[in-house]
Amino acid sequence: ETGVTQTPRHLVMGMTNKKSLKCEQHLGHNAMYWYKQSAKKPLELMFVYNFKEQTENNSVPSRFSPECPNSSHLFLHLHTLQPEDSALYLCASSQDLGLGTQYFGPGTRLTVL
Amino acid sequence: DQQVKQNSPSLSVQEGRISILNCDYTNSMFDYFLWYKKYPAEGPTFLISISSIKDKNEDGRFTVFLNKSAKHLSLHIVPSQPGDSAVYFCAASARSSSNTGKLIFGQGTTLQVKP
Repeated sequence: ETGVTQTPRHLVMGMTNKKSLKCEQHLGHNAMYWYKQSAKKPLELMFVYNFKEQTENNSVPSRFSPECPNSSHLFLHLHTLQPEDSALYLCASSQDLGLGTQYFGPGTRLTVL
Repeated sequence: DQQVKQNSPSLSVQEGRISILNCDYTNSMFDYFLWYKKYPAEGPTFLISISSIKDKNEDGRFTVFLNKSAKHLSLHIVPSQPGDSAVYFCAASARSSSNTGKLIFGQGTTLQVKP
């Protein structure tokens, strides 16, 4: 498998559930990112990891908890979300931080009931 | 405060004609710009990029123009094909002043190419 993969592709959860989104990149990149895309809004950067270390948290609420066990895998743990958190969550990777060209996965469409 | 703006939410062109997608930015520290294309149910796909030391970059049917004084960039697609119908996002980063890898995206423009 090549590129950036994300699972699940669709997720429906209640506000009291705990779920996790998974991202895997097969590109040998060192940096990974989580983005959120809400309807009619630009993509918003959430978290950045470089060599497994978090380098940026863009003021994301603590109900979103990222985890990066290695440079190829990135998780987003979800807990007690709100309906307004319903969005498309996109993972991306790049060779290194700051090189600009990020490659995206297909996204997880999340619906919070 | 939106630092990258795509003021046209949609654009419709005839097959074979030129498509011109526009993007404006406000942050003078931005020095690297990218265009992404997104089909429904897929993630954004990288199309073309340009560094601020250039004013034009061409790749096949796609050309990006950068006007730094106007803080404006555009993507030209010629000739347009029905398969180009998608949402196009421009993005910018300040590579020389920041090593966070942070990309700032515009809202996107939906391009429809009619056969």
